[in-house]
Amino acid sequence: QVQLQESGPGLVKPSQTLSLTCTVSGGSISSGSYFWTWIRQPAGKGLEWVGRIYTSGSTSYNPSLKSRVTMSLDTSKNQFSLKLTSVTAADTAVYYCGRGWTSMDVWGQGTTVTVSS
Amino acid sequence: DIQMTQSPSSLSASVGDRVTITCRASQSISSHLNWYQQKPGKAPNLLIYDASRLQSGVPSRFSGSESGTDFTLTISSLQPEDLATYYCQQTYSTPWTFGQGTKVEIK
Repeated sequence: QVQLQESGPGLVKPSQTLSLTCTVSGGSISSGSYFWTWIRQPAGKGLEWVGRIYTSGSTSYNPSLKSRVTMSLDTSKNQFSLKLTSVTAADTAVYYCGRGWTSMDVWGQGTTVTVSS
Repeated sequence: DIQMTQSPSSLSASVGDRVTITCRASQSISSHLNWYQQKPGKAPNLLIYDASRLQSGVPSRFSGSESGTDFTLTISSLQPEDLATYYCQQTYSTPWTFGQGTKVEIK
């Protein structure tokens, strides 16, 4: 059974870079046809798709964040990562990683990132 | 971007009631519509995919249907453990977008 776990700093200063990693266990990140995805959720609000990376490494990002987002795969560590540059308080949220194709069937538990000085 | 308009934003119903939540897409999305349940403090959980297919392990009281650009999630008999917020999501085109959510409370 595939499981996902997010990790990274819980506090990031404004204008700095948010870096998160999602570790995949119970299966290989390279096998199958999946989009490895990041979703975020500000406290008390709805879900926002940040972007996705395919097993081949091709990416697609939310245009609202596109210039600031980079995703990557590390197949040797069975991980995928998110970098979001020039963060502001508006980037404060719970960040979830997930797996899917046309739906997201596996989610991490989420990690809270606060942007504050 | 495809806009997903979900209604109602909240509802309160009794145990055993039939509950219906609607999601309308701003354009055709074929059947690329998913429903998720999110309990307080937890990650979302996939209930329905491809508009009407029940995810493995999800109780059969949950069902989904579609009519054009209108999609419906139905809980046939509300249970106490169904207290949650429900979201629709389109995966027809990027950026994938979600409805605003429907908070379901138990009377």
